[in-house]
Amino acid sequence: DTGVSQNPRHKITKRGQNVTFRCDPISEHNRLYWYRQTLGQGPEFLTYFQNEAQLEKSRLLSDRFSAERPKGSFSTLEIQRTEQGDSAMYLCASSKSTLAGGPTDTQYFGPGTRLTVL
Amino acid sequence: DAKTTQPTSMDCAEGRAANLPCNHSTISGNEYVYWYRQIHSQGPQYIIHGLKNNETNEMASLIITEDRKSSTLILPHATLRDTAVYYCIVRVANQAGTALIFGKGTTLSVSS
Repeated sequence: DTGVSQNPRHKITKRGQNVTFRCDPISEHNRLYWYRQTLGQGPEFLTYFQNEAQLEKSRLLSDRFSAERPKGSFSTLEIQRTEQGDSAMYLCASSKSTLAGGPTDTQYFGPGTRLTVL
Repeated sequence: DAKTTQPTSMDCAEGRAANLPCNHSTISGNEYVYWYRQIHSQGPQYIIHGLKNNETNEMASLIITEDRKSSTLILPHATLRDTAVYYCIVRVANQAGTALIFGKGTTLSVSS
């Protein structure tokens, strides 16, 4: 059973450029989450998909950010017109929804993509 | 904001038990306690979760007080590889997916 994978692992870009990250969840996991983590802080939630539907977006997800999960499998996170403040680790997590009345789903994280905006 | 309080840092000698406390005095009846850890420059790793009863798995034990206002994560025989930031998170149990709300966690340093 392979874990969550993310590509690329590192990305260095110049301010104003667009970047796209990919996340491949654990197979059969229907939920996929994106988080962002800056230095010295815990991860912060960005957005969440159940299958291909984007069900929740944080106020942190400005209009320069867009996420997709077109076929309910892998997901992409795009940042347009990057700013230095976008420098962070971008984390993806996946989970499998549980039965009605059961415990909430457990999220498993990938290794992250570290973005540096110069 | 995170609904948990954890010490900023703790030290533990290799081979000894590491006991990491977490205060969650406002926890609701339908909220679980989750523990994750994050080794430097890696993604968070799930450790364990529980509702009311104590739980144990191959990584750790989770002890939840009877009033559920606090809990302790126990690593029975800490090794150098257990050096990490440990996050205690409370999370509502429902059908919908819910985000994990991370605080700053406890930095555990295991030394030989």
